[in-house]
Amino acid sequence: DAGVIQSPRHEVTEMGQEVTLRCKPISGHNSLFWYRQTMMRGLELLIYFNNNVPIDDSGMPEDRFSAKMPNASFSTLKIQPSEPRDSAVYFCASSRARNYGYTFGSGTRLTVV
Amino acid sequence: GENVEQHPSTLSVQEGDSAVIKCTYSDSASNYFPWYKQELGKRPQLIIDIRSNVGEKKDQRIAVTLNKTAKHFSLHITETQPEDSAVYFCAAGGSQGNLIFGKGTKLSVKP
Repeated sequence: DAGVIQSPRHEVTEMGQEVTLRCKPISGHNSLFWYRQTMMRGLELLIYFNNNVPIDDSGMPEDRFSAKMPNASFSTLKIQPSEPRDSAVYFCASSRARNYGYTFGSGTRLTVV
Repeated sequence: GENVEQHPSTLSVQEGDSAVIKCTYSDSASNYFPWYKQELGKRPQLIIDIRSNVGEKKDQRIAVTLNKTAKHFSLHITETQPEDSAVYFCAAGGSQGNLIFGKGTKLSVKP
């Protein structure tokens, strides 16, 4: 298994531009999580899906952030418009079931200038 | 809300010494407690986990203990080596099946 696959690995964009991050979970895992990591705030859960349905999006910072999971093998996290304070590493993770360990992707390092 | 407190935030030990990281959780219904290791610039990776029907689990130089009554659990690393240097995160299974993470402990092992 290739693990959780995220793209792109690095993204540099200008303030105001739309950014789309992509994630392919491990086949057979039915839970998918989006995290943001910064030095100041650590690992923050943004949103998670169970069987492609959003369960908790209370961690999404504001309306500029949106996430979708159209099928079991693909999810996107979109930021529109992006701001410099959105600069962080964004991790996607998947899990086979409730209360099982997560497998994290390699992350996307986002820089908004 | 559900919360996981992790201490210390930084820990420096001499190679060969032991390191202990402690976490407390708030949700008494939590029954799954994994630990993750994150090396600089890399993803968090699961290193060991424990469920509430077990009080202790060991895997070579690492062990985890759980005290459900006190709602705390700990990671123990013995005979530390420079390659153990990383940020370690504890987590507790939340009521909705997601994991609640601690803030992390930066462990430095000095040769």
